[in-house]
Amino acid sequence: GAVVSQHPSWVICKSGTSVKIECRSLDFQATTMFWYRQFPKQSLMLMATSNEGSKATYEQGVEKDKFLINHASLTLSTLTVTSAHPEDSSFYICSATRTARNQPQHFGDGTRLSIL
Amino acid sequence: ILNVEQSPQSLHVQEGDSTNFTCSFPSSNFYALHWYRWETAKSPEALFVMTLNGDEKKKGRISATLNTKEGYSYLYIKGSQPEDSATYLCASLQGGKLIFGQGTELSVKP
Repeated sequence: GAVVSQHPSWVICKSGTSVKIECRSLDFQATTMFWYRQFPKQSLMLMATSNEGSKATYEQGVEKDKFLINHASLTLSTLTVTSAHPEDSSFYICSATRTARNQPQHFGDGTRLSIL
Repeated sequence: ILNVEQSPQSLHVQEGDSTNFTCSFPSSNFYALHWYRWETAKSPEALFVMTLNGDEKKKGRISATLNTKEGYSYLYIKGSQPEDSATYLCASLQGGKLIFGQGTELSVKP
């Protein structure tokens, strides 16, 4: 099956640091990648949709200057949390998909981000 | 964007029991309904993508049905095993985006 690699899986860093998370589709070309955030006991919340070669589309309430998304190729998207603060601590997970109505999304393992 | 609701939130069953849980989603402008299984420390795994009213899909002991007119889908697990323990997520495809429910956490005791 389709494999999506996400890393790092765990990051602990000081407030003010910028953190980059990578999401790679290893065995297929992903026309679209998605970035989600999950707060404790809540569902996956879509942050942004990333299409190769174009600007990401951010969901309402997500700061595009805080969460920079780059989708440089059909196999790689990155999420950079800039100048991270404790309130940015969360679980972030990416997914990749081929564009078709009956195609599932293929998820990475997620990144647990802790800002001290 | 309209909500997707799952029930129950959690479920504890004995090995060998059959179980089912529900996903409710907006029936207007239906496009597709996804089911995923998410085991601890792993990535969510796609189970089914359902698009047609009346669809019934099966994967081993797991099956799902879809009613797009009334906006619900059921997931069934026959003869639950401890390895079925996971969170089961459903998601409605709306405007090209998946809107997830909160999931049903299933625990199967040996």
